[in-house]
Amino acid sequence: GENVEQHPSTLSVQEGDSAVIKCTYSDSASNYFPWYKQELGKGPQLIIDIRSNVGEKKDQRIAVTLNKTAKHFSLHITETQPEDSAVYFCAASKGGGGGADGLTFGKGTHLIIQP
Amino acid sequence: GAVVSQHPSWVICKSGTSVKIECRSLDFQATTMFWYRQFPKQSLMLMATSNEGSKATYEQGVEKDKFLINHASLTLSTLTVTSAHPEDSSFYICSAPGPSNQPQHFGDGTRLSIL
Repeated sequence: GENVEQHPSTLSVQEGDSAVIKCTYSDSASNYFPWYKQELGKGPQLIIDIRSNVGEKKDQRIAVTLNKTAKHFSLHITETQPEDSAVYFCAASKGGGGGADGLTFGKGTHLIIQP
Repeated sequence: GAVVSQHPSWVICKSGTSVKIECRSLDFQATTMFWYRQFPKQSLMLMATSNEGSKATYEQGVEKDKFLINHASLTLSTLTVTSAHPEDSSFYICSAPGPSNQPQHFGDGTRLSIL
């Protein structure tokens, strides 16, 4: 089955700086890669996603890049703010984003924004 | 946007008790829902796929007799942890793909503590 590796496990950055979280996946049939933000005691919230026919996607301060050949994808957060502090998870599936398949998650990155 | 509601948010019960967790899609129908399990400071692991009107599909290693899933309507899936023991204590989260091929939306989870 699919295996998703995520690094780093903890990332501390100064407020205003950029943060980058990286993930690799093993199954070349995976075609959908969402990123979720999880706050303590809550369910994950989708922040951005990308499908395999696209190499990059941006939404304001958040961007995701995908390299299908290398089977890795990254989350970029610019101009970080204290409210960005949370645990971030990458995930992969073969469902094309329509939710037909369950997601395989990475182990998560605890992002800490230092004031 | 699509909202998934989960109930209860927290339950504490004695060993040997069976516990039912509900997952509802609000304002949209979901023929498929997913159940995940998350241990403290760990990732989400897919347990099973809940299919409306048919049997659930369980991931390898998940006991179907232990974790009973029922998806009796297009807006409700339930997970029953039967004869729960302390090792079943965890954070259980459900998700549903949004309408019109939208990504999965997660509930806020149920924290289950077995004494």
